[in-house]
Amino acid sequence: QKEVEQNSGPLSVPEGAIASLNCTYSDRVSQSFFWYRQYSGKSPELIMSIYSNGDKEDGRFTAQLNKASQYVSLLIRDSQPSDSATYLCAVAPNDYKLSFGAGTTVTVRA
Amino acid sequence: DAGVTQSPTHLIKTRGQQVTLRCSPKSGHDTVSWYQQALGQGPQFIFQYYEEEERQRGNFPDRFSGHQFPNYSSELNVNALLLGDSALYLCASSYSGQGLGYTFGSGTRLTVV
Repeated sequence: QKEVEQNSGPLSVPEGAIASLNCTYSDRVSQSFFWYRQYSGKSPELIMSIYSNGDKEDGRFTAQLNKASQYVSLLIRDSQPSDSATYLCAVAPNDYKLSFGAGTTVTVRA
Repeated sequence: DAGVTQSPTHLIKTRGQQVTLRCSPKSGHDTVSWYQQALGQGPQFIFQYYEEEERQRGNFPDRFSGHQFPNYSSELNVNALLLGDSALYLCASSYSGQGLGYTFGSGTRLTVV
């Protein structure tokens, strides 16, 4: 079983719609969770971090965490063409490393 | 405020050669982590350096080694290069007291031929 699994893509959404990205993780002791955005040919950019169960909102992004279900999600509201990128879910199984999923590629259709 | 700086940006090496990649962390950061990202995959943890010591290591062979200098900058060395080492190598810096909200550098694209 992979440490971090993301829903397979690519995910194509029309401009203005909600993009929903899912991630599950295997290590129950994980306490820190992150979403990174990576444009083609670029390095990952941190867009959200979440540490407690529930929702965390930042602008058009909402991260949701359910530790009991070992599930993290990211919602992108009012999707824009500039949101087209690969989104990486990352989980910290300890204080020293992040375990990344393979990423979900999102394409926003104008 | 300079972010994380990596050099070189691109590199082509031949199988069996050795390579050194360099990283300068963001100002105020004291911890450097290295990741390997193969095409179409998420980054894989290589190791983390703090106070000039390797604090944790991922599932990478001993051909991968590193170093951190007193000014917190770091090097990643890979010996006996294999074709499978071709990847984007990412350096991430953080402050030891602020968890793992990394700032990544722009990466070094290594191609082994």
